[in-house]
Formats: sequence, structure tokens, C-alpha cells
Amino acid sequence: AQSVTQLDSHVSVSEGTPVLLRCNYSSSYSPSLFWYVQHPNKGLQLLLKYTSAATLVKGINGFEAEFKKSETSFHLTKPSAHMSDAAEYFCVVTSLYSSASKIIFGSGTRLSIRP
Amino acid sequence: NAGVTQTPKFQVLKTGQSMTLQCAQDMNHEYMSWYRQDPGMGLRLIHYSVGAGITDQGEVPNGYNVSRSTTEDFPLRLLSAAPSQTSVYFCASSYQGLADSYNEQFFGPGTRLTVL
Repeated sequence: AQSVTQLDSHVSVSEGTPVLLRCNYSSSYSPSLFWYVQHPNKGLQLLLKYTSAATLVKGINGFEAEFKKSETSFHLTKPSAHMSDAAEYFCVVTSLYSSASKIIFGSGTRLSIRP
Repeated sequence: NAGVTQTPKFQVLKTGQSMTLQCAQDMNHEYMSWYRQDPGMGLRLIHYSVGAGITDQGEVPNGYNVSRSTTEDFPLRLLSAAPSQTSVYFCASSYQGLADSYNEQFFGPGTRLTVL
């Protein structure tokens, strides 16, 4: 069975400060993990993905995430927030051995940036 | 490339009406899928297709039908709309199905549906 939990429904940070969006997962098999970003009234865009290569994954717009198997976590970070980072972020888990119906989206974290 | 396109952008239906949400992609992707997005629930998979003529159910298929007669198009039909189907619907496509590996999904801009 697979599941994904985004631990915060809303995160607010000041511009220029670090961002941390937390994601925990559960998977019976070796998981593939992803972060997508959704700007207001837009579709989703892939930020980064982990598929059993390097555990530290770098994505677009300065975001990165670290896969920690012992903690079953895949937290998204960025050293310095920008106003344009304000959006909804989704953590996604699937597995090489899963069917398409087993792509599991987290419930989302809304990131707000204070000037 | 236009990517993934969806029409209409907005739609209001009355309970019991039927309609078709259109989705098209010009990237020659084999895999296409439909999701619904509801507040606090992330995206849930409705139906998907791994190629022309092949479709399967996702997590929440009831009340929806799909068909895939061409690689490019993957319409979603609401048979008899209900208020519970009020949602934002996203179509997505990717290079291949998930039997081999997961590839990045490209999402359309969404259709905002209200059922009164």
C-alpha cells in the first residue's frame, strides 16, 4: 500500500528566508517521489523527482529535496524564498511496480510569501 | 507545441445534465489521464489510458466515462451531473505508462465545473 502525507496545509515565510515543505510517505516497494507546483488557476508543473538515483535531488527554481529512507521523508527546501514561489505544492508517490491507479497525491501545501 | 489543452475552461451544469470535457495533446504521448481536484484532497485519478483503444479506472471513476479513439484526444464524459461532481478537472499526459517507469506528467490548465 502507498500513501503520502503533507504535514502542513499552509506555510508562510518571509521573502529571502528558507522554505521547508514536509512530506512523509509510505510504500510497499521502492518508491518514486515527486514534487509538483501549482500556481493560482494553472495546471501542475513538475519541480523535481526521485527515482532511486541520488538521494539529494535538485529541481527547478532553486528547489531541492532529499530522500531519507530511514525517516520515510521527502521534504522540499529552498534556501531563499521569492515572491514568485507563492503557490500550492504537491508531493506525489508511486512505484515502479504500481499501476497507474497507484499514483498518490498529497493533499497539498499552500506556500505564502510575506514581503 | 500547444502541450495539453482542455476545453471548456469553465462550465455550469444543472443536476442531471450530461456533458463532455475535452482534452487533447500534441506531444504523441501514450499515457493520458483525468484527475479531479477538490480542496484539501489533492488530485484524485478518475480514468486513465495507456494508448489508443485502452482505458482503465482510477480511484474515483463512478459517474464518468472515457474513450480513447486517437492518441491525441481523451474526452471525459459526465453521464448525469451531480453536485458532488463540482470540482476542477485536470487532464495530463506523459510519454509512457507506469508499467515500466514513471515519467513527468504534463498537465492541462484545468476545467472548473459547477453543478447546481
